[in-house]
Amino acid sequence: GNSVTQMEGPVTLSEEAFLTINCTYTATGYPSLFWYVQYPGEGLQLLLKATKADDKGSNKGFEATYRKETTSFHLEKGSVQVSDSAVYFCALSVMNRDDKIIFGKGTRLHILP
Amino acid sequence: ETGVTQSPTHLIKTRGQQVTLRCSSQSGHNTVSWYQQALGQGPQFIFQYYREEENGRGNFPPRFSGLQFPNYSSELNVNALELDDSALYLCASSSRTGGFGGEKLFFGSGTQLSVL
Repeated sequence: GNSVTQMEGPVTLSEEAFLTINCTYTATGYPSLFWYVQYPGEGLQLLLKATKADDKGSNKGFEATYRKETTSFHLEKGSVQVSDSAVYFCALSVMNRDDKIIFGKGTRLHILP
Repeated sequence: ETGVTQSPTHLIKTRGQQVTLRCSSQSGHNTVSWYQQALGQGPQFIFQYYREEENGRGNFPPRFSGLQFPNYSSELNVNALELDDSALYLCASSSRTGGFGGEKLFFGSGTQLSVL
């Protein structure tokens, strides 16, 4: 079946540190890959996405590259800010009539000033 | 701010009761999906409604049911509540133009349901 595995948190970093959150997936077919972010008290927001192998999604300084050979979609940011503190979800969607999204368990990120 | 609004924001029920959660989709969106997010977990797909019909369902029992209205707003109904139904329930809307999906989802802030 389809599934997403991401590194467990919480992850605690100092401001301006380099961030990597690992994500791997299992899918039948050819999935689209996503990173969603959930700030405290808010709903999920799409952070970035990639729809085919070697695509790089990017937004707000975050980047992730669709690696088909390693079935991975790791999230990176070169210099994190306190405002990046949130829960990050890796997710996939396989083109289907209901386009449901399958989420990982989430990684909580704390950035210390 | 996504334009997807959910009500109520918080709800407390007792085991065996029934609950109705509501969602107003973003203007122009014709598709609504519901997800259940248990504490410390990622959201799990419950079902999707497109043009007032159920368009797909996840691994949830029949006591989870839904409706979509002509204005594309939606309800999630849960009967015979169990303790494990305690979770954040998220609604997401999108604009489907036919065929397969993949359109961007816009999530509401959710309804936090506690079952005692």
